This record gives sequence, structure tokens and C-alpha cells, in this order.
Amino acid sequence: DIQMTQSPSSLSASVGDRVTITCQASQDISNYLNWYQQKPGKAPKLLIYDASNLETGVPSRFSGSGSGTDFTFTISSLQPEDIATYYCQQYDNLPLFGQGTKLEIK
Amino acid sequence: EVQLVESGGGLVQPGRSLRLSCTASGFTFGDYAMSWVRQAPGKGLEWVGFIRSKAYGGTTEYAASVKGRFTISRDDSKSIAYLQMNSLKTEDTAVYYCTRSYSSGWYGRIDYWGQGTLVTVSS
Repeated sequence: DIQMTQSPSSLSASVGDRVTITCQASQDISNYLNWYQQKPGKAPKLLIYDASNLETGVPSRFSGSGSGTDFTFTISSLQPEDIATYYCQQYDNLPLFGQGTKLEIK
Repeated sequence: EVQLVESGGGLVQPGRSLRLSCTASGFTFGDYAMSWVRQAPGKGLEWVGFIRSKAYGGTTEYAASVKGRFTISRDDSKSIAYLQMNSLKTEDTAVYYCTRSYSSGWYGRIDYWGQGTLVTVSS
């Protein structure tokens, strides 16, 4: 079974900071990786699909990169409304979410 | 506007059954695969299972944690997806989200989520 390791589990950053979250797969998953944002009490929202494609309507400060086993999610300039938990999700095999990264404002 | 509305959640005793429904609108339901994703209180997201569109046989896949106990089905004439949950355990307590896959036959990306329905398994 594919394992996903997402890090860090929590992150504190200041408005305007560049924020990076990583996700590592236990085996090659090509680019079959998505990133979601979940705000408290809300359903998740798709931000990035197929590792690097920005979902329609999502601000361009969000981006994704990587292929194979190592993936990165970046917020280029953190905004107050970006406070949320972020999840990666692989779908090379049965879908599996990463453990999540809780992002807070410093 | 795409909408997914879950119903059927509530309190149920361990070992009992519960059926969740997901009523879809705003898109041609039969053209899409549908998944269920759950989230235990204070925990992360867990994919539960998936049903392909009829064009791909309407076949299903399940997470190991629910395989043999949960069944996903669909009624394309009513635009409803179902999650039948049998032999419920306390660890099945979670908010259950109905989701739409961007694809007809593969997991792909989840582009729409319902608001979720809470299932509490407790005696």
C-alpha cells in the first residue's frame, strides 16, 4: 500500500510569508496528487490537481510542484484568509490523504 | 450550480446499520463517479469508497477499514448516491462527506464536496 507522509503537521507564519508544505509518497505516484484546503467547520476545497495545476478560481499565490514521490505545496505570500488545514491526496491507487498541515498566523 | 446534500446521519448503536443519501443537483449526475470521504472528530480526512459511472460499469472500490461492511450505490434517475453502513463500530464516528470526482471512471480529483453529515456510533 502507498503511504503518504505530509509535513509539517503544523506551521505558524506571518502575513506575507512564503509557506511550503511537503508530501512524500512511499512509491512513485507520477503526478497523481491533489491539494485541498479545509477551513474550520467547512468542507475541503480543491486547490491544486495533478500536482501542479491550479483549480479554476483559486488565487495564483497557491502553487504545487513535484512528481514521482516528492511534492511541494506553496503559498507565495500568506494572507489572513489562508488560515486552514491543508491536505495532500494521492490517487495512483486507492485514494489516500496525507495527515494534514494546520496553518496558523504568527 | 453544483450541489451535493447529504442526509441520514445521526446517532446509532454499535453493530447497527445506517444509510446515508447524497442528493445531487446542478450537473448530469450519471456522467460522474462519486466518492464518500469521512472525518472523525478532530482528525484528518479518510477516503471511504467510490462508485464509477454506469459508463464504467458502476463498479465500486472501498477502503480496507470499511470493506465488507459498507456499500455504495447510485440511482442515476434520482441523482442520488447512497452509503449503506452495516456492522457499525465506534470508530466509524465521523462527518461523512459526499463528493464528486472530476472523472467518470477514475478517482482523479474531487472537485465538489457536500456539507457533510455527522454519524455518531455510541451505545
